[in-house]
Amino acid sequence: QKEVEQNSGPLSVPEGAIASLNCTYSDRVSQSFFWYRQYSGKSPELIMSIYSNGDKEDGRFTAQLNKASQYVSLLIRDSQPSDSATYLCAVKSAGGTSYGKLTFGQGTILTVHP
Amino acid sequence: DTEVTQTPKHLVMGMTNKKSLKCEQHMGHRAMYWYKQKAKKPPELMFVYSYEKLSINESVPSRFSPECPNSSLLNLHLHALQPEDSALYLCASSQLADPYNEQFFGPGTRLTVL
Repeated sequence: QKEVEQNSGPLSVPEGAIASLNCTYSDRVSQSFFWYRQYSGKSPELIMSIYSNGDKEDGRFTAQLNKASQYVSLLIRDSQPSDSATYLCAVKSAGGTSYGKLTFGQGTILTVHP
Repeated sequence: DTEVTQTPKHLVMGMTNKKSLKCEQHMGHRAMYWYKQKAKKPPELMFVYSYEKLSINESVPSRFSPECPNSSLLNLHLHALQPEDSALYLCASSQLADPYNEQFFGPGTRLTVL
């Protein structure tokens, strides 16, 4: 059973702080890793994808991947109240198909308070 | 253009009704997906189409019937649903370019079965 685990929330940070969201996965051959943001009542929005070890930065967001530790994280710098949402970690395993069958974590609820 | 559209936004149906959900994308993606999402849970994969052919059926009950008329359109036909089928139904699409098959979600259809 392929599993994706996210740090249990909810996570509450003050405005301007760094929010750190963590995710571990069990399938060692996983090759693609995604972070989605989902506002209440809305659909998931892809905010970051990462495929190789190291850091990937996009604006205030940094994704970090460590395949040896089977760990992926998302850092949000200068957190804003508009970042308050559920963050979903999704992992795609390698091989077999060229389309993406994703395994999602349960999500972490982030609240940024003014 | 990373837009996936879905209609209708909301749907209320009785257990004896037949209705259809529609999804459209114009990103040239050749994989399309149906997900079901219950409150406070991550999306659950239902079906995957690649090159307009059904590639994955995640043991979904036959009261859900997918159809992919062409590379841009995906339908989900509903018949004799149960109240527990009430959920947010999400369509997504992606490239067929392993591992870079980021999935983009549509806004979803909020389904209520009475």
